[in-house]
This record gives sequence, C-alpha cells and structure tokens, in this order.
Amino acid sequence: AQTVTQSQPEMSVQEAETVTLSCTYDTSESDYYLFWYKQPPSRQMILVIRQEAYKQQNATENRFSVNFQKAAKSFSLKISDSQLGDAAMYFCAYLRGNTPLVFGKGTRLSVIA
Amino acid sequence: DVKVTQSSRYLVKRTGEKVFLECVQDMDHENMFWYRQDPGLGLRLIYFSYDVKMKEKGDIPEGYSVSREKKERFSLILESASTNQTSMYLCASRPTSLSGNTEAFFGQGTRLTVV
Repeated sequence: AQTVTQSQPEMSVQEAETVTLSCTYDTSESDYYLFWYKQPPSRQMILVIRQEAYKQQNATENRFSVNFQKAAKSFSLKISDSQLGDAAMYFCAYLRGNTPLVFGKGTRLSVIA
Repeated sequence: DVKVTQSSRYLVKRTGEKVFLECVQDMDHENMFWYRQDPGLGLRLIYFSYDVKMKEKGDIPEGYSVSREKKERFSLILESASTNQTSMYLCASRPTSLSGNTEAFFGQGTRLTVV
C-alpha cells in the first residue's frame, strides 16, 4: 500500500520569510499525482497545489511551489513571503488512478508576526 | 461554486446510540469518501463509494457502515457509538479519474463527541 510521510509535525516561520514543508511517499507506480492541501482553523480543506508525476517541471501557484524529486520520492512545499493567513495544517497526499487519496499525518504551520 | 455539505458541524451523542452523518455534494461526482481526522494521525479512510449503491472498505471500517442510495448523498453510520469514535469526520467527493479531473472537494467536517 502507498504511504505518505510528513516528518515535521510542527513548523513555524516569520511573516514574509520562506518555509519548506517536507513530504516523502512510497509507491511502485510511475504514474500518479501528488497534492498539498491546506486546512485552516475553519476546517475547510483547500487544495494548494498539484503535481503530476509524469511532468518533470515543478508546479507553482503564486507564492507556493514544490520541489518534486521522483527518484527520491520526495515532494516538498515551499511557501514564499509567508503571510498570517498561511497558518494552518498542511497535508501531503498521493493519488493513483481512481483510488482514494492517501494522506500524510500533517504539518501544523505557525506564522509569527 | 462547488459544494460538499455535511449535515452537522458539531454533534454530541451518547454511547450506544446509532449515529448518522450525512454528506451531500452538488457536483454530480461519482466518487465519495469518508475520512476520520485525529491529531497526530492525519486523515484515515473509513469507507468510499465509486457509484450509487457501491461501497468499499477503507483502512478503518470497523464500527462503521455507509449508505449511498442516491449519487449526491453518502451517509456514514455508527451502529453503536463508542467513546473511541469521538473524532472529526470529513466527507469528500471527486469525479471519476476518466474525467481527467483529480481534485477532491471536502465538506467542513463534523466534530463528533460521544459521551
């Protein structure tokens, strides 16, 4: 079974600074998707960014970017110019075909003003 | 605006009660999912459904059942609630992978307390 590991239960960052959240996964597949979801205190899960495994180019969405290392099975999220609204739980997730998303345990990010 | 709606945001039930958690989506998605979220454990899959009247066990189905009589509605049932089922429950939906769309949409969660 696929597994997703987030080794940092908690992280903190100063406002306007950059922070990187780590994620590794285990799979024997070559075609899959990886995601980062954000869950603020409102509890609403929000898709932050998506990466298709067959694409070598790292995905970017405004201040959010990923470092996708397929051979190393690593998928880290970089948040640039951190804002107070970025404070949330962040979940890394794996998807293969029509199967359910597999989530990591999450990283709680605090942003210090 | 796409929407997944869970019937209750907060729920308090007594041990032994039969509990129904309802989830409705308005996006005509084939796939629906129930996850349980606990601190330090992330989201764990309870049950999922690929279509009406279909259901599949996830990683932690014990003590739960589900019902999907209509495409838009996926219900999670706790047959006899126990205190170890106190948790946050998240419903999600997603179109079939044949659509090429991989994004899952989530409800706002139901925080269930069993006393």
